Amino acid sequence: SQQGEEDPQALSIQEGENATMNCSYKTSINNLQWYRQNSGRGLVHLILIRSNEREKHSGRLRVTLDTSKKSSSLLITASRAADTASYFCATGGLAGNTPLVFGKGTRLSVIA
Amino acid sequence: GAGVSQSPSNKVTEKGKDVELRCDPISGHTALYWYRQSLGQGLEFLIYFQGNSAPDKSGLPSDRFSAERTGGSVSTLTIQRTQQEDSAVYLCASSVPGQGGRNTIYFGEGSWLTVV
Repeated sequence: SQQGEEDPQALSIQEGENATMNCSYKTSINNLQWYRQNSGRGLVHLILIRSNEREKHSGRLRVTLDTSKKSSSLLITASRAADTASYFCATGGLAGNTPLVFGKGTRLSVIA
Repeated sequence: GAGVSQSPSNKVTEKGKDVELRCDPISGHTALYWYRQSLGQGLEFLIYFQGNSAPDKSGLPSDRFSAERTGGSVSTLTIQRTQQEDSAVYLCASSVPGQGGRNTIYFGEGSWLTVV
């Protein structure tokens, strides 16, 4: 079953604007990760935030995590056309040997 | 190899035929995952191998699907008597030794399966 649910399903913005994507999940987690996918091929890891962290930065990416609301957000600042892709959140469970569970993704289109 | 390698990249098969999809994980990665992604959808977990532990097969959609991992490295996902609804991208991923879901996982480019 899907754990993470991204919102919105699709987002279209102008180059230079900021893009914000949200992820909600249902059960307690060890960590939450964001991945990017171009053109339906392999996913690339962007950032991992652990359950005891509230915010993390990586370049133009900013991720927040609110475990009380079971939600996370991914902010891409100063977007570029090359940021056009699908973005997925994935949650890692508390139990030791559990696979990552992915949401359905947000399709981001950045228009030049 | 440098990354997760999957083959074939694309496969078109007739309904009712069996297919095998191969995944060669990053060297030294003991955790290996198979996911399925239908067009425009999210990733659906299929199966997870971790070292010598019994695999987590809870995501396999039917008994037509099976997977094995030989020698703790290469994995093969087999779909028997393929159906049109099996058409999807099958993504393999691997991660470093450690507990599943707690590490970054590295994906291959996927195998596009089309059942006609």
